[in-house]
Amino acid sequence: DQQVKQNSPSLSVQEGRISILNCDYTNSMFDYFLWYKKYPAEGPTFLISISSIKDKNEDGRFTVFLNKSAKHLSLHIVPSQPGDSAVYFCAASDPGTYKYIFGTGTRLKVLA
Amino acid sequence: KAGVTQTPRYLIKTRGQQVTLSCSPISGHRSVSWYQQTPGQGLQFLFEYFSETQRNKGNFPGRFSGRQFSNSRSEMNVSTLELGDSALYLCASSSDGGTTDTQYFGPGTRLTVL
Repeated sequence: DQQVKQNSPSLSVQEGRISILNCDYTNSMFDYFLWYKKYPAEGPTFLISISSIKDKNEDGRFTVFLNKSAKHLSLHIVPSQPGDSAVYFCAASDPGTYKYIFGTGTRLKVLA
Repeated sequence: KAGVTQTPRYLIKTRGQQVTLSCSPISGHRSVSWYQQTPGQGLQFLFEYFSETQRNKGNFPGRFSGRQFSNSRSEMNVSTLELGDSALYLCASSSDGGTTDTQYFGPGTRLTVL
């Protein structure tokens, strides 16, 4: 059973526009969420995280929003750049288990 | 600070063989986790080590094992390789593996089983 879901396998956005990547989770006990970016043949790179006590966290062009009642989080990238083209994974930290549960990823393509 | 390093980067093995992968965490990090990435399955948790002790294990067969040394370096072993073990194996380190402790990943080892 997939506890963390990224229902859009791919997304294309024009350079300069906003990219919105979505993630849903099923376990209300999750209280820490992260986004990673992954290029081919490289390991995932940490982008941004959010604790369940917040509903928004910003870092430069990246903002993560958390809606606990809907069990939904999203990553906004503004403005999108061609170098942002990669696979984006959301992850939830499973409390007390020392592991992350990952979604299956969304491939973002930013068109110049 | 140097990042997480993994060796080797690429491996080709045949069915039935065994393989050992190595991971050196970020200096000062004591928790090391291993994940398997395959197309369509995303990243699947294998196990996590802290202070040389395995604290959690994912749903993988006993052919997958690991260990951690006193300097926090970790190794992962897969015995009796199967074709389905072909994947990218990723190691991640964090300070103590706590719930809000961010994991940082290495570049991975690409294992191909023929």
